This record gives sequence, structure tokens and C-alpha cells, in this order.
Amino acid sequence: EIVMTQSPATLSVSPGERATLSCRASRSVSSNLAWYQHKPGQAPRLLIFGASTRATGISARFSGSGSGTEFTLTISSLQSEDFAVYYCQQYNNWPPITFGQGTRLEIK
Amino acid sequence: EVQLVESGGGLVQPGGSLRLSCTASGFTFSTYWMSWVRQSPGEGLEWVANIKQDGSDKYYVDSVKGRFTISRDNAKNSLYLQMNSLRAEDTAVYYCAKHPRDSSGYFEFWFDPWGQGTLVTVSS
Repeated sequence: EIVMTQSPATLSVSPGERATLSCRASRSVSSNLAWYQHKPGQAPRLLIFGASTRATGISARFSGSGSGTEFTLTISSLQSEDFAVYYCQQYNNWPPITFGQGTRLEIK
Repeated sequence: EVQLVESGGGLVQPGGSLRLSCTASGFTFSTYWMSWVRQSPGEGLEWVANIKQDGSDKYYVDSVKGRFTISRDNAKNSLYLQMNSLRAEDTAVYYCAKHPRDSSGYFEFWFDPWGQGTLVTVSS
């Protein structure tokens, strides 16, 4: 099983600033990595697939990078609606499909 | 618009059973892989199981193997999760989710979209 580790667990950032979230895989997942945004009481929303491709309708403020075992989600100029929990997910080697434990992005 | 609507959650005693349903609309359900994903209280997301378009292939996370069964009825545009021998640690919001295809028709195993989820509580 590929273990996904996200850091930090909680990130405090002021509106208008940039947030950088990290995700590490226990072994290479190539570029087979997705990012999701999850708000309480809502369905998770796909942001990024293929490590760097934005999903349909996702703001250009969201960008993904990385390959192999190290990945980054960057959110530029944070807006109030961006404060949520973010998960990475690998789909290179399954079953099982695995998620990171999440990074909570909170308002500073 | 693609929609996934889960139902069937509720309170069940340890050792009991429950059947979740997910009704799909807005796409040709019979041509897509589908998954169940759960989130336990205060925890992250955990993939539970998925099923091929025709139901011929099914995969499970180890913690539910032998207890949960994923199935589908393409005529009813519905996905199911039969959960038996339920444990307290199965308490979670259960989401159904669709696996997309790329422009070549190749299946990708991220999730898009997701339903709103249904809560399963296992407690005496």
C-alpha cells in the first residue's frame, strides 16, 4: 500500500496571502496524484488531477506541481472561500486507492 | 448536470447490517467505474470499494473485505454498498463517487464528482 503523508496538518494563512501544501508518497506515484477541497457538510471537490492539471471550473489561483514522491498544492491570494481541508490522493498503484490525512487551511 | 445522491444511512447496532444506495443522473451510468469513499468523524477520507462498469471487477480496502459488498444495477442507474458485521469503526459519512474517463476513453481513478454523503452510525 502506498502511504500518503501531508504537511502541515494545519496551516494558518491570512487572506490575500499564498498557501503552500505538501504531499509525500511512500514510493513513486509518477504524476498520478489528485487534490481535493473539502468543506464541512459538503461533497469533496476535485481541484487537480495528473499532479498539475486543474479540473473544470477550478480557479487559476490553484496550482499543482511535483512528480514521483513529492507534490505541492499552491493557492495564491487566498480568498475566504478557500479555507477548508485539502486532501491529496494517489491512483498510480491500487488497490487500495489512498489519501493523505489532510491539511486544514485556516484563517490567520 | 451530473448528480449522485446517496441514501440508506442510519443508526445500526454493532454486528448489524445496512445497505446504502447511490442514485446517479446526468451521465451514462452504465459506462463508468464507481466508488464508495468514507470519512469517519474527525478523520480523513478513506476509499472503501469500487466496481467496474458491468460489475465484473470489484475491489475493496482490506478493512472491509468479507463484510462489505459493492454492486450496481445499471438499469436503475444505482450503486449499492451492502454492509454486514458492522463495527463501531465503520461509523462514517459514506460518499459515492464517479471515476472519469479521459478523451481516449481510458479510465482514471481519481474521483469526480462526489455525492453529498450519507451518515452511518454503528453504536449500541
